[in-house]
Amino acid sequence: DAKTTQPNSMESNEEEPVHLPCNHSTISGTDYIHWYRQLPSQGPEYVIHGLTSNVNNRMASLAIAEDRKSSTLILHRATLRDAAVYYCILRDDVQGAQKLVFGQGTRLTINP
Amino acid sequence: DVKVTQSSRYLVKRTGEKVFLECVQDMDHENMFWYRQDPGLGLRLIYFSYDVKMKEKGDIPEGYSVSREKKERFSLILESASTNQTSMYLCASISTRAYEQYFGPGTRLTVT
Repeated sequence: DAKTTQPNSMESNEEEPVHLPCNHSTISGTDYIHWYRQLPSQGPEYVIHGLTSNVNNRMASLAIAEDRKSSTLILHRATLRDAAVYYCILRDDVQGAQKLVFGQGTRLTINP
Repeated sequence: DVKVTQSSRYLVKRTGEKVFLECVQDMDHENMFWYRQDPGLGLRLIYFSYDVKMKEKGDIPEGYSVSREKKERFSLILESASTNQTSMYLCASISTRAYEQYFGPGTRLTVT
């Protein structure tokens, strides 16, 4: 499984945008980029995913570099509820079984 | 709403006991997973199943077994619990060719 690299921690202020980076220089052509987050005392939850184009949903936006070696999860207006560990994961959707390989993630702190 | 439920949030067992962790999902998903989560090590895949009675080893299957007799239920079994199996255990499920993996709330197991 291709590896991702994320900062261990980031901090931001409430109601400001947050940009969470992820490097994945060994990504293959069939790897999708998935983001999950884990709120305190909960299981991880899906945030967003993409292949080549930028993606938006109600939770966040995903900006993917043209060479696909990096991506950025964007929270447009952070709230205290967004404080969580964010995981960037590469998943080969061709192979089936949909295994996820979690790294250490980025612990996001939101200041009031 | 998709629901993945786990039989207990907290469990305390003694060394050598046989331990059953149960996971049930209500969305007719083919694929189910068991992870454990430890500080500094992140989430690691123990076993997964892509169909009833089918199972595959994940990254750390030693000391564990699984059972999938019905599509909605995936059980993790610790044949003889040891203190190094003290951990948070997370169950997840996903439909084949879907993109979102759903996690349960986790079971924090302490083996004394």
